[in-house]
Amino acid sequence: KAGVTQTPRYLIKTRGQQVTLSCSPISGHRSVSWYQQTPGQGLQFLFEYFSETQRNKGNFPGRFSGRQFSNSRSEMNVSTLELGDSALYLCASSASGTGNQPQHFGDGTRLSIL
Amino acid sequence: AQSVTQLGSHVSVSEGALVLLRCNYSSSVPPYLFWYVQYPNQGLQLLLKYTSAATLVKGINGFEAEFKKSETSFHLTKPSAHMSDAAEYFCAVSDRGTGGFKTIFGAGTRLFVKA
Repeated sequence: KAGVTQTPRYLIKTRGQQVTLSCSPISGHRSVSWYQQTPGQGLQFLFEYFSETQRNKGNFPGRFSGRQFSNSRSEMNVSTLELGDSALYLCASSASGTGNQPQHFGDGTRLSIL
Repeated sequence: AQSVTQLGSHVSVSEGALVLLRCNYSSSVPPYLFWYVQYPNQGLQLLLKYTSAATLVKGINGFEAEFKKSETSFHLTKPSAHMSDAAEYFCAVSDRGTGGFKTIFGAGTRLFVKA
């Protein structure tokens, strides 16, 4: 079974631009979560989608948004990029997102803002 | 809301020595707890999970963790460290949000293994 795939792996943008990151979950998984990882803040939860609906949201500004498609693939969008948005963005999937199910992570997209 | 505290941002052990990574959680109900490992430039991999079936949980690569409700702890151990165990380790708890569960991660502990 293929794992979680995130594209692109690396991305360089400048302040004010916008970016879209993509995540393909494990086949059959319907829950997709996004996390931001930085040296200073660690792993922070962005949001979770299940069957195309956002079920949970972390404490991030509205510049961070996402969506999920009918095939469970998910995209995350960040608008008006700031220097502080430089981070590793991780996507994780699970079969149904219930509490006892572990998350399966992709290798992340490393976003650098110049 | 649930939270997880990992004691020690860095732990250094010699090859062959015991590995002990500490994790305490805050929860008023029996939690779902996990340990993940992250190698450089990679995502997180599940080491083991506790879902109330047994207090001693065995995971991959020789790791295990013991759930102690009285201490609200879920420490990760390995009897004998190997160089390949050098990585960052995250303790995590499932937290029920308004719409479903979300995973709350600890700050992580970076394990160094000396030859």
